[in-house]
Amino acid sequence: QVQLVQSGAEVQKPGASVKLSCKASGYKFTSYHMHWVRQAPGQRLEWMGWIHTGSGNTRFSQKFQDRVTITRDTSASTTYMQLSSLRSEDTAVYYCYTAVAATPFDHWGQGTLVTVSS
Amino acid sequence: DIQMTQSPSSLSASVGDRVTMTCRASQSISTYLNWYQQRPGEAPKLLIYAAVHLQSGVPSRFSGTGSGTDFTLTISSLQPEDSATYYCQQSYTNPPLTFGGGTRVE
Repeated sequence: QVQLVQSGAEVQKPGASVKLSCKASGYKFTSYHMHWVRQAPGQRLEWMGWIHTGSGNTRFSQKFQDRVTITRDTSASTTYMQLSSLRSEDTAVYYCYTAVAATPFDHWGQGTLVTVSS
Repeated sequence: DIQMTQSPSSLSASVGDRVTMTCRASQSISTYLNWYQQRPGEAPKLLIYAAVHLQSGVPSRFSGTGSGTDFTLTISSLQPEDSATYYCQQSYTNPPLTFGGGTRVE
């Protein structure tokens, strides 16, 4: 079955960077986009960007495009999301998910809590 | 960017009640609309895809209707395990994908 397993919780200081991972299994990794979404406490889900795991092409939300990098390692079936210049407002749970629009293929990681605090 | 507006933001209902919530897009998105259920501390779970199609394994008391700009999620007979926040998401424009603000069901 499809599984996305994310890395563990992080605590970072303002101004630092964080790099999260998302390891996929149970399907052909290079066939589908991998998205990153975050959810601040009590807030809505917020889409950050995606990577096409086959080509490596990326697209980002305008809100994050100056601070986010998404990469992948096809040999490890793993996607990485790095967010730089962290501030307290970046405290959130970060999810990876893979999906095909308008189809039932839709799978999420368990989420990674990132806390930004001095 | 397409804005997704959900209403109500929260509702309280009793077991067995019929519950309806709506999602409105700022422009037409055809049927590129998903509904997710999110319980506290959990990742979102897909309930309905392409506006009207029930995801495998999801109880048949959940149903979705709509196209264009106006969409509805209905729970025909509310169960205790349905306490959660429900989000709509459009994938008509990508990027960016956008989510609604959620409807909390208590």
